Amino acid sequence: TQLLEQSPQFLSIQEGENLTVYCNSSSVFSSLQWYRQEPGEGPVLLVTVVTGGEVKKLKRLTFQFGDARKDSSLHITAAQPGDTGLYLCAGLPGGYNKLIFGAGTRLAVHP
Amino acid sequence: DTAVSQTPKYLVTQMGNDKSIKCEQNLGHDTMYWYKQDSKKFLKIMFSYNNKELIINETVPNRFSPKSPDKAHLNLHINSLELGDSAVYFCASSPRGATLYNEQFFGPGTRLTVL
Repeated sequence: TQLLEQSPQFLSIQEGENLTVYCNSSSVFSSLQWYRQEPGEGPVLLVTVVTGGEVKKLKRLTFQFGDARKDSSLHITAAQPGDTGLYLCAGLPGGYNKLIFGAGTRLAVHP
Repeated sequence: DTAVSQTPKYLVTQMGNDKSIKCEQNLGHDTMYWYKQDSKKFLKIMFSYNNKELIINETVPNRFSPKSPDKAHLNLHINSLELGDSAVYFCASSPRGATLYNEQFFGPGTRLTVL
């Protein structure tokens, strides 16, 4: 069974701080996605990374796929209260059959 | 003009009852999914349909029966509800199921509470 472990589970920071969230596995994934979920809503896709070592930027968010395609990180610069939410990573195993989701990192950014 | 819609948003019912959740997507996607998100926010796939054909059927009790009347709709019927079925159920769709990018669009969720 392929598993994705996210850390930390919870993160509470002040506005303006930087943070990094990690998504790790012992398995190789064909691609990895990051979603953000706000209370009472469904997850919304932020990014998909496909190539080992790939780095993608979305404004203040930087996503990296590990060289071996087993792990990923999400770095947020100068966090804002609007970044508050549950961040989920999801990996696509070989065969592209289904997404495997991590348990998520709950981020709270305080003004 | 909601992309993926689910009804109802909230569902409170007694143990042993039968209930249904409906899902519709207006994105023209071929593939639809049902996910269950438990109290720890762990999101797990239950079923997937591609053009009305069942392609993923995870280890789910047979009390859960999906039905896709057309590729824009995927409903979930649950028989003999149990306390452990309490969760948030999400419907999702993607343009094509088996692609590297596989972007999935989620509905707002249905919070099911079994008393």
